[in-house]
Amino acid sequence: EVQLVESGGALVQPGGSLRLSCSASGFIFSSYWMSWVRQAPGKGLEWVANTNQDGSVKYYVDSVKGRFTISRENAKNSLYLQINSLRAEDTAVYYCAIGGHIDYCGQGTPVTVSS
Amino acid sequence: DIQMTQSPSSLSASVGDRVTITCRASQGIRSDLGWFQHKPGKAPKRLIYAASTLQSGVPSRFSGSGSGTEFTLTIGSLQPEDFATYYCLQHNSYPFTFGGGTKVEIK
Repeated sequence: EVQLVESGGALVQPGGSLRLSCSASGFIFSSYWMSWVRQAPGKGLEWVANTNQDGSVKYYVDSVKGRFTISRENAKNSLYLQINSLRAEDTAVYYCAIGGHIDYCGQGTPVTVSS
Repeated sequence: DIQMTQSPSSLSASVGDRVTITCRASQGIRSDLGWFQHKPGKAPKRLIYAASTLQSGVPSRFSGSGSGTEFTLTIGSLQPEDFATYYCLQHNSYPFTFGGGTKVEIK
């Protein structure tokens, strides 16, 4: 059974940093592009970033470029999102997803940016 | 960036109704579009990919059509479990962009 389990979400002060993790199982992790998507409170879904099978290619939405870094560790079947210089507008539930085109999502981890 | 304009933003319908949701792209995106269902507290779920291909395990009352700039998601006969918010996603060019969403509520 395919499973994606996100973790690492927390309450963080503006300007702070956080590392989100996504543990994958039930499929050959190293064979798939992987993505992050988020949903801010009361807002719609927003595509955030994706990366190719070996992590050598990465794409980001403009609003997070220079602050977010997507990475992966295939030996651990894990995807990460390093979030720096957090802003209030980064408050959202962050979902990990299989595929470059969001084939399947995990349950999400909440990030709250507030002082 | 490609803008995805989704309509309507919300609708009220009854069980058994036929429901149609539209997404318009600001430029041609071939068939590089997916449709998603999202319920509160749950993971977003892809229903349709490549504009018209039903995801495995998704009921056949869901269908997608269109290419280029205009796309449609149709629910043939609305069921109680279909009340949710629906989104389109273009993956033709970066950054990928979602439509604004359509909330389907019970009439």
